[in-house]
Amino acid sequence: EDQVTQSPEALRLQEGESSSLNCSYTVSGLRGLFWYRQDPGKGPEFLFTLYSAGEEKEKERLKATLTKKESFLHITAPKPEDSATYLCAHGGSQGNLIFGKGTKLSVKP
Amino acid sequence: NAGVTQTPKFRILKIGQSMTLQCTQDMNHNYMYWYRQDPGMGLKLIYYSVGAGITDKGEVPNGYNVSRSTTEDFPLRLELAAPSQTSVYFCASATGMSPEAFFGQGTRLTVV
Repeated sequence: EDQVTQSPEALRLQEGESSSLNCSYTVSGLRGLFWYRQDPGKGPEFLFTLYSAGEEKEKERLKATLTKKESFLHITAPKPEDSATYLCAHGGSQGNLIFGKGTKLSVKP
Repeated sequence: NAGVTQTPKFRILKIGQSMTLQCTQDMNHNYMYWYRQDPGMGLKLIYYSVGAGITDKGEVPNGYNVSRSTTEDFPLRLELAAPSQTSVYFCASATGMSPEAFFGQGTRLTVV
């Protein structure tokens, strides 16, 4: 069964304290690995898509990387406005997304 | 840039009542989806559509129905509301070339 597992469930950082979020996946044929950001009371907002092991993408303080079994979302020198829940998903056979449970990130000033 | 618009944003239903959650997109996307999000759980696919007139079940379709008469609209119908349907519902759309999806703001539904 295709699965996506995210860790940790919650992460508290001080402003400027860099860290990484993990997403491990089991899927027979990867149709893309997706990262979304979700703010409270809002819908998920697309961040990145990765397709091949070794691929990396960056956006401001965020960098996503992909291996054959995992993806990491690296957050460099985070700011309070980076606080959100970060969702990982892989592409399903129905053209849908199969989501993990998310990592709730809190960045304190 | 409206994107994906959902109405209503909040709703309280009594057990056994019916309602329709509305979803419309202005990006001319062929693919549309309904997900539900429960606390501490990942988003689960309820129904999806690959184009007008074509719909199919997702992972958790029981208790729901959908229709897709136009490219823009994809309403979700709850016929006999149950407490287990208390959740936040998200509509999403995609081009179909990639599963990268654009989400609406969600409808928070409580069944009492």
